[in-house]
Order: sequence, then structure tokens, then C-alpha cells
Amino acid sequence: NAGVTQTPKFQVLKTGQSMTLQCAQDMNHNSMYWYRQDPGMGLRLIYYSASEGTTDKGEVPNGYNVSRLNKREFSLRLESAAPSQTSVYFCASRMGPKAENIQYFGAGTRLSVL
Amino acid sequence: SQQGEEDPQALSIQEGENATMNCSYKTSINNLQWYRQNSGRGLVHLILIRSNEREKHSGRLRVTLDTSKKSSSLLITASRAADTASYFCATVLYSGNTPLVFGKGTRLSVIA
Repeated sequence: NAGVTQTPKFQVLKTGQSMTLQCAQDMNHNSMYWYRQDPGMGLRLIYYSASEGTTDKGEVPNGYNVSRLNKREFSLRLESAAPSQTSVYFCASRMGPKAENIQYFGAGTRLSVL
Repeated sequence: SQQGEEDPQALSIQEGENATMNCSYKTSINNLQWYRQNSGRGLVHLILIRSNEREKHSGRLRVTLDTSKKSSSLLITASRAADTASYFCATVLYSGNTPLVFGKGTRLSVIA
């Protein structure tokens, strides 16, 4: 009964390095989301996938790419990390894009870019 | 930009007191949801109120929605130390099939 699982939990990168944040859900949800959370800024949507095979930009997509690998997995890639990408990243899933579906969140990935 | 704005940004109360948090939003919504985030954890859904509802209860939680003022409030009655967390409102726009848009949150501290 894992829900939404994110890996890794912590990561330190040097400027310019690349990495992929992994997210998997076991609730057979159709929609998946990536958010970043910065102090005083709340959660901001980076990218989302309303259904398998589709991805769309959110509020702050620059510097990121995503892949909806299959129905379960949605990864977030930083091609060339920058200090401004230091943040806590949350993956979430939802049964579908229908309005009343609630979102379930992973525990987060804490990323520091030096 | 964020749709919802919570007020106050931080709130500190004694155990047993009631805690009220407010959320204002900008555009027409389908529903409004409240989430809780314990320190170092992900968000957990608390309650959803539809645009045609005015009040909803769940245990010690009471949510109101005033669409004419584009605002909502979350009341936690008889607060406990375990209620210490950040609380976020999230809106779903009128069209419905859109991602949640979160506010910046209210940090609640309940002192035993």
C-alpha cells in the first residue's frame, strides 16, 4: 500500500550536473504531477500528465523535462542543474483530471544545487 | 501565478483553542480543497467543497465557501498539538479538467 513513491529522498548536485527524479504510483491513477516547493512560495506546478502518453507544462517548466514512462511512472529530469533549482520536489497523482478527484502526494525529494 | 492566498501566513494558538485560516482566490472555481502538510512530509487531502456548497464539516474541520467574495475559511475546533502543520488551499478552475493550483499556505503551531 505504498501510494506515491519518490526517489531519491535527498540529492546534492553541482551546477551543470544532470539528474532524474523518479516517481511511481500504485493506485492505477491516470494523472500525475510534479511540483516544486520553495520557502514562502507554496507549491508551483512544473509539469503534469493528464493521462498516459500526454504531458503539459505548468507554471514553472523552464529547465525541466518530463517523461510519462507508463501509467505508473512519471519522471522529472534536470538537464543542467542550476542553484535556482534548489527546492523540494513533490510528485502527486490523481485518478484522472476530473475536477473532484483529489491528489495524493509523495514524501518529496530534497534537492540542493551547489 | 498562484490562484489562492492563505491568511494568516502563520498562526500560533494554545491546545484546545480553535484555529481559523482563510483563503482567497482570483477566478471562478469548480471546487476548493484543503490540504495539510506535516513538517518534512507530502501534502494530505483534508476536505473538498464544491462551488455550489456553502459549508462542509468533517470531524473537527469546518470549511466555508463564499463564491461572491472568492474566499474560503478552514476552522479547526479544539486544536491539538498534532494539528501543528502547514495548511494549503487548492482550487480547481471552473472548467474542471485542470491541475490543482495551490496557495502559499498557513503555518499553524498548536502549543501544548
